Amino acid sequence: QIQLVQSGPELKKPGETVKISCKASGYTFTNYGMNWVKQAPGKGLKWMGWINTYTGEPTYADDFKGRFAFSLETSASTAYLQINNLKNEDTATYFCARSEGPLMDYWGQGTSVTVSS
Amino acid sequence: DIQMTQSSSYLSVSLGGRVTITCKASDHINNWLAWYQQKPGNAPRLLISGATSLETGVPSRFSGSGSGKDYTLSITSLQTEDVATYYCQQYWSTPYTFGGGTKLEIK
Repeated sequence: QIQLVQSGPELKKPGETVKISCKASGYTFTNYGMNWVKQAPGKGLKWMGWINTYTGEPTYADDFKGRFAFSLETSASTAYLQINNLKNEDTATYFCARSEGPLMDYWGQGTSVTVSS
Repeated sequence: DIQMTQSSSYLSVSLGGRVTITCKASDHINNWLAWYQQKPGNAPRLLISGATSLETGVPSRFSGSGSGKDYTLSITSLQTEDVATYYCQQYWSTPYTFGGGTKLEIK
């Protein structure tokens, strides 16, 4: 069965870096894109962008250009989200979501990131 | 960017009742519209794609309709397990955008 399993919760200080993983199983990793979605506490969903798992090319939504980086370890069927220079407003749950074309069909369980001094 | 507006942020419906959740896009999205269900502490679950296509395993009491800019998610015979927040999302153009969500509760 198709599964996306994300890494565990993170507690970080402002200015630090966090790297979240999303390990896929049950399908051919490079046949589908991988998206990242942010959900701040008590808020809605915000699409951050996606990475083409075949070419490795990332696409970022405007609000997520600069401090955010998507990457892959294709041999391990794993996608990563790295956030540099963390700010309080980065406190959120981050989801990875597989996409067929633009449609996000399977989601990871989410990774909570808390940024606090 | 295309804005997605869900007119109701909260709905309270009786068990066994029918509910309709509406979603309006700021531009035409050619039925490239998905509905997701999110229960507290869980990831979103894809219910409907292409505005009307029910995903495998989703109960038939869920249905989607609409075209152009206006779309609806309907749930008939509401069950306790349907308590959740429902989001619409357009995937016609990037950045893909979500509605603000409609929290559904049992009256």
